Amino acid sequence: EAAVTQSPRNKVAVTGGKVTLSCNQTNNHNNMYWYRQDTGHGLRLIHYSYGAGSTEKGDIPDGYKASRPSQENFSLILELATPSQTSVYFCASGDVDFQNTLYFGAGTRLSVL
Amino acid sequence: GDSVTQTEGPVTVSESESLIINCTYSATSIAYPNLFWYVRYPGEGLQLLLKVITAGQKGSSRGFEATYNKETTSFHLQKASVQESDSAVYYCALGEGVGDNSKLIWGLGTSLVVNP
Repeated sequence: EAAVTQSPRNKVAVTGGKVTLSCNQTNNHNNMYWYRQDTGHGLRLIHYSYGAGSTEKGDIPDGYKASRPSQENFSLILELATPSQTSVYFCASGDVDFQNTLYFGAGTRLSVL
Repeated sequence: GDSVTQTEGPVTVSESESLIINCTYSATSIAYPNLFWYVRYPGEGLQLLLKVITAGQKGSSRGFEATYNKETTSFHLQKASVQESDSAVYYCALGEGVGDNSKLIWGLGTSLVVNP
């Protein structure tokens, strides 16, 4: 069964600290995505990737970096975390493009204090 | 730009009652976008519930239905008789473009609580 696993599921970080959110997929999908969701907003795309070694900026990339070292793994990195980055983050994988089914992880709840 | 508006939650209904979650869209960049409903059950990731790519067609899954109405730019989600296990957050989304130019526009999500 298709699976996307995120870690950690919950994270408390301090302002100015470095945070790494990890995502692993066993779907063998080429594309992977990082979204965040906040109250009053739909899912917003941060970064995405077409395959190992590739990262692309989404709609709100400022303050975030991404890394895709392999087909299976896609990380989201907050080098200097700020309270405005407190949110729920979702990773997803999919094939071809956004119009095909996306498979999501369960989410990571991040609080930056 | 394109946008999706859906019923503001939480929506609370009793088991066996009927349900409708409204979704309307504005698609300025494409005449016939693809329309989606995703659902997120507690503790799980979002998963596709149904998708319709042709205006006038109806999609259905797990007892839920949604009809792509081009005239009213709507894609309302309906179920005749809900169950407690339907408690979840439901997301309407609009898809546009293909390949590198594709994107999804999401609604805010509607939390559904079904009481036993």
